[in-house]
Amino acid sequence: EADIYQTPRYLVIGTGKKITLECSQTMGHDKMYWYQQDPGMELHLIHYSYGVNSTEKGDLSSESTVSRIRTEHFPLTLESARPSHTSQYLCASSDDNGYTFGSGTRLTVV
Amino acid sequence: AQSVAQPEDQVNVAEGNPLTVKCTYSVSGNPYLFWYVQYPNRGLQFLLKYITGDNLVKGSYGFEAEFNKSQTSFHLKKPSALVSDSALYFCAVMGYNFNKFYFGSGTKLNVKP
Repeated sequence: EADIYQTPRYLVIGTGKKITLECSQTMGHDKMYWYQQDPGMELHLIHYSYGVNSTEKGDLSSESTVSRIRTEHFPLTLESARPSHTSQYLCASSDDNGYTFGSGTRLTVV
Repeated sequence: AQSVAQPEDQVNVAEGNPLTVKCTYSVSGNPYLFWYVQYPNRGLQFLLKYITGDNLVKGSYGFEAEFNKSQTSFHLKKPSALVSDSALYFCAVMGYNFNKFYFGSGTKLNVKP
């Protein structure tokens, strides 16, 4: 079944650690996105990609980086996690018919 | 600049009554408008979209939305609310060059039995 998968679902990590949030989709979408969301609030775009080897920063300033080596894979990396990075991170992909979102990764940095 | 506004943080409605969740937009050029629903601890789900054509768009779960160009609105509606419709609803607009997606702040819909 075509879908988009994010792992881990929940993550608690110490300050200063390096983490990678995984996102994979099976729909063959060229466009993929990472959004940051706080509970009950709007999504903020932090990174997007139009295809392999294409990555751009979004509207919200972020200390994270992304890579797009394969169409289906769009991981997000934080080199040094801080408490201000505590949030929900949503990965999405899209085509002309609309967007598909993953279930999100709830990150807590202690 | 592209943006959407959802003026209501929360909408309360009794089961069986009609519901409306409001959305207004500001775009350069023709708007590509979307509604998404988010249930607790789950990802966003696409409900419906307006690209072109009829102003009344029908979507999933019995929802529909009316595009009103003169009022720059795209309100989400359902004739008869269900308790299971209780969730967070996001209106969104796609950027004019299709490279960005702008969401509203979300409206929490509470449907009471």
